[in-house]
Amino acid sequence: EAGVAQSPRYKIIEKRQSVAFWCNPISGHATLYWYQQILGQGPKLLIQFQNNGVVDDSQLPKDRFSAERLKGVDSTLKIQPAKLEDSAVYLCASNFDSLRTEAFFGQGTRLTVV
Amino acid sequence: AQSVAQPEDQVNVAEGNPLTVKCTYSVSGNPYLFWYVQYPNRGLQFLLKYITGDNLVKGSYGFEAEFNKSQTSFHLKKPSALVSDSALYFCAVRDINNAGNMLTFGGGTRLMVKP
Repeated sequence: EAGVAQSPRYKIIEKRQSVAFWCNPISGHATLYWYQQILGQGPKLLIQFQNNGVVDDSQLPKDRFSAERLKGVDSTLKIQPAKLEDSAVYLCASNFDSLRTEAFFGQGTRLTVV
Repeated sequence: AQSVAQPEDQVNVAEGNPLTVKCTYSVSGNPYLFWYVQYPNRGLQFLLKYITGDNLVKGSYGFEAEFNKSQTSFHLKKPSALVSDSALYFCAVRDINNAGNMLTFGGGTRLMVKP
């Protein structure tokens, strides 16, 4: 079974530039999460999709972050414009549609904003 | 709101000794609990979960965890630590009353196993 695919693995941008991350979840997984993990901290949920609908985006800085999951499969997360404090690893995870099942994580995208 | 606390930033243990990584949680209903491990430059890997049934759950790589409802804890344990167990460990919780399926993580505990 293929895992959660994310790209790119690394990205360096200047502040005020824009950046986009892509995630392809495990086939058949209805739930997709984007987490932000700042160095030394636990993952913080940014947005959660159920199929192509948003379940929770309460911690997404909507003035600069946006995400979409067209057709309920792969997803993109965008930051525009980026700030220095956005430097982090962005993790995508997917979950079969059940509270009982574990989420599977991609390897993440390490973003450095300079 | 659901939350997870991992009170120790780092746990140091000698190889061959037992290890414990602590986790406490807060949910309004009943919890589903998970442990994940993260190696450098890698995503999170699932170790084990408590859903229902026996309070002692066994997972990958010889790890186990004990669910204690009265103490709202889910501590990760291993009888004999290996140097290769050195990594970052995260506890996570879902509230079964949360129809949104939200998964909330603790801040992580770095486990250092010394030869």
